[in-house]
Amino acid sequence: GAGVSQSPSNKVTEKGKDVELRCDPISGHTALYWYRQSLGQGLEFLIYFQGNSAPDKSGLPSDRFSAERTGGSVSTLTIQRTQQEDSAVYLCASSLGGGFGYTFGSGTRLTVV
Amino acid sequence: AQSVTQPDIHITVSEGASLELRCNYSYGATPYLFWYVQSPGQGLQLLLKYFSGDTLVQGIKGFEAEFKRSQSSFNLRKPSVHWSDAAEYFCAVGAGNTGKLIFGQGTTLQVKP
Repeated sequence: GAGVSQSPSNKVTEKGKDVELRCDPISGHTALYWYRQSLGQGLEFLIYFQGNSAPDKSGLPSDRFSAERTGGSVSTLTIQRTQQEDSAVYLCASSLGGGFGYTFGSGTRLTVV
Repeated sequence: AQSVTQPDIHITVSEGASLELRCNYSYGATPYLFWYVQSPGQGLQLLLKYFSGDTLVQGIKGFEAEFKRSQSSFNLRKPSVHWSDAAEYFCAVGAGNTGKLIFGQGTTLQVKP
């Protein structure tokens, strides 16, 4: 597509429920990234996919967080047993890799109540 | 480890005045450097990037940035600020071929009429 698409744009969930956030990157972009932006904070790296290589999961804050990327395209970030501290904007970005810079999606605002 | 520091959390300038946003990075080799802007309720947009070559890079919306290796800095400048420039600005550093970026905490720019 023309840009990075994320869905849903907003999600309110109850504490303890699981949520799935979706990212559809720009066609042809081999690299895909997930970041988290909490209120008043910078961007926290979560996970990175590059082609068929094993993902870099070094930023995932706990084992409740996982992500997959199917067919080298769409990615899903899953948060299990959500906690209030998971409330944030989750941003997805894609790129051609290396130093090309990212194109970001508009994000999913997750609120855990 | 790579890191990025944006010393100014909040800056206020008058419309028409010049602007400089500071960014200092820590990285052992020549970094890839980026500035992104995030307008309220919007995703992040790439303003400019530095890979190599000319240390003064031009970006969109009249912004420029200068890479100074001796000072480990990549400050963003604009000669005359417009009210529409009010936003949050993020500096980021990347390395190698991973494309993974480390972001600063951001600087919020307020523009006075």
